[in-house]
Amino acid sequence: GAGVSQSPSNKVTEKGKDVELRCDPISGHTALYWYRQSLGQGLEFLIYFQGNSAPDKSGLPSDRFSAERTGGSVSTLTIQRTQQEDSAVYLCASSLAGLAGTETQYFGPGTRLLVL
Amino acid sequence: GQNIDQPTEMTATEGAIVQINCTYQTSGFNGLFWYQQHAGEAPTFLSYNVLDGLEEKGRFSSFLSRSKGYSYLLLKELQMKDSASYLCAALDQTGANNLFFGTGTRLTVIP
Repeated sequence: GAGVSQSPSNKVTEKGKDVELRCDPISGHTALYWYRQSLGQGLEFLIYFQGNSAPDKSGLPSDRFSAERTGGSVSTLTIQRTQQEDSAVYLCASSLAGLAGTETQYFGPGTRLLVL
Repeated sequence: GQNIDQPTEMTATEGAIVQINCTYQTSGFNGLFWYQQHAGEAPTFLSYNVLDGLEEKGRFSSFLSRSKGYSYLLLKELQMKDSASYLCAALDQTGANNLFFGTGTRLTVIP
């Protein structure tokens, strides 16, 4: 079946502009995650959605970052007033969640964001 | 807090065996994942350990010791295509289902 998809695959923007990144999780997966991977760095957890529960926003680096998940499926990560340090690959992952052993997260191809 | 440590880089010869170590500290530990990430691509799942011991899956095996906060990924009969970054990640269920990643080990396989 289809995997996690993300769009756009690449985004170049000017400092100060807002950007929206989209993630379509695997059908039936109730958990959705956003990560950021800067050049040469590990994956940095940003935000986690589980079903209809309030999201865990503990990883968001600043109030310029926000995310929503409509209808328990598609998610949008919004970065307002982008800064050059926001340049990174933004990865989305989804998982079945629930019982141990079903926690495997499947990653999308990522959106490469470059802020000039 | 969480702390995941793994070597930054390793080099090994085609056909050989390589072991990539990972140590972790996390309060609500509920499993250890290994992911493979080729340059410019998203991570792909390799293994998941939640109980102590060795899990073998073809040329790849993963080991976990919960008491020591230690895991390793063992790659046998190395192939050139195994050149990639290998990410260790600890699942922490303190409050949420969060996966904390190490910085990854970049493995280079040489002829």
